[in-house]
Amino acid sequence: DAGVIQSPRHEVTEMGQEVTLRCKPISGHNSLFWYRQTMMRGLELLIYFNNNVPIDDSGMPEDRFSAKMPNASFSTLKIQPSEPRDSAVYFCASSLRGSGNSPLHFGNGTRLTVT
Amino acid sequence: QQPVQSPQAVILREGEDAVINCSSSKALYSVHWYRQKHGEAPVFLMILLKGGEQKGHEKISASFNEKKQQSSLYLTASQLSYSGTYFCGTEPGNTPLVFGKGTRLSVIA
Repeated sequence: DAGVIQSPRHEVTEMGQEVTLRCKPISGHNSLFWYRQTMMRGLELLIYFNNNVPIDDSGMPEDRFSAKMPNASFSTLKIQPSEPRDSAVYFCASSLRGSGNSPLHFGNGTRLTVT
Repeated sequence: QQPVQSPQAVILREGEDAVINCSSSKALYSVHWYRQKHGEAPVFLMILLKGGEQKGHEKISASFNEKKQQSSLYLTASQLSYSGTYFCGTEPGNTPLVFGKGTRLSVIA
């Protein structure tokens, strides 16, 4: 089992540029989550998919953020245009079920720096 | 609503014990515990479901008091490898986990 795979591991970009983060969940998992981690706010849920359908995107901070899950094995998180305050570590996680009795399996994260 | 963890940080010598607490203002269906080492992803430790159960993972165990909406993580005879940030994640009912801000645990020789 390869685990949750995220790419890129590091991304440095200039303010105003578009950033796309990618995630491949564990095969067979039907729930996918995007979290953002900062020192000030900790781990924040951005959006949650169940069976490829976005269920809750109330954590997406602004319209500059968008996420898609075109199939069960791939998801993207896009920021356009990026701003320095978007700098953070972005984690993708998957679970067998969306309910609380399934553990989350996290990818290694993408460290985003916007200058 | 983000659960509140305490303490924010703790330093232990090898062999000492520690307790990390997690409390929520909402009724909970389950509580998860994760550990994150510096520069790595959070790793699942255990889940506790309604029913006041306790679970164990090596010398790490946890309890869940659903009436008090609290969970505690117990680390016994700590080892250097226990160092990291511990997060509780709470689930009020069939919704995604909301994580606390974490407790930074440092174990020194």
